[in-house]
Amino acid sequence: DTGVSQDPRHKITKRGQNVTFRCDPISEHNRLYWYRQTLGQGPEFLTYFQNEAQLEKSRLLSDRFSAERPKGSFSTLEIQRTEQGDSAMYLCASSPSGRATGELFFGEGSRLTVL
Amino acid sequence: AQSVTQLGSHVSVSEGALVLLRCNYSSSVPPYLFWYVQYPNQGLQLLLKYTSAATLVKGINGFEAEFKKSETSFHLTKPSAHMSDAAEYFCAVTDNYGQNFVFGPGTRLSVLP
Repeated sequence: DTGVSQDPRHKITKRGQNVTFRCDPISEHNRLYWYRQTLGQGPEFLTYFQNEAQLEKSRLLSDRFSAERPKGSFSTLEIQRTEQGDSAMYLCASSPSGRATGELFFGEGSRLTVL
Repeated sequence: AQSVTQLGSHVSVSEGALVLLRCNYSSSVPPYLFWYVQYPNQGLQLLLKYTSAATLVKGINGFEAEFKKSETSFHLTKPSAHMSDAAEYFCAVTDNYGQNFVFGPGTRLSVLP
């Protein structure tokens, strides 16, 4: 399978714990995006990488959230001291660089439940 | 700043009937527009995209959309609904650098037998 893969697919944690999600983009794509989606809503932009550089962060990305993309390959999204409001689906997407004739290719998401 | 509105959070149609899902956008630059579909517990899949070529865009599964600059719209249509079309549909807009995709709130399509 050469699509975008995310791990884990589901995570249940207690409030205050830290969680980390991993995303492996399509190998030739150097743009990588993280989105958050809550029930009944569209995806909300969190952050964007071009290769290893984090070029844009949403104000939704509080200081409890951190994302990395070492070596411009896979990416991780860590949430520290989780809160119940963090419960959501976290979606990763990738795309090739250049002018935007290309769409985003999404993974199946990582669903977080904070108890 | 770019934004997307989708009129109607839930649309129900009978099997075989016309599907019309509405999308209006706001953009200060020429937009690139997309429709995505999401089935339960899955990621988003691209249906079709407009990237400043033909204004009538055909996508997968018999869907098409027409870009109307004067109306700032990009409505999605399908002549005859199928049960398998039941899903959540999202309209999205980006600029020509593709760095920031903005999604609408989505429209849930139900297809009745």
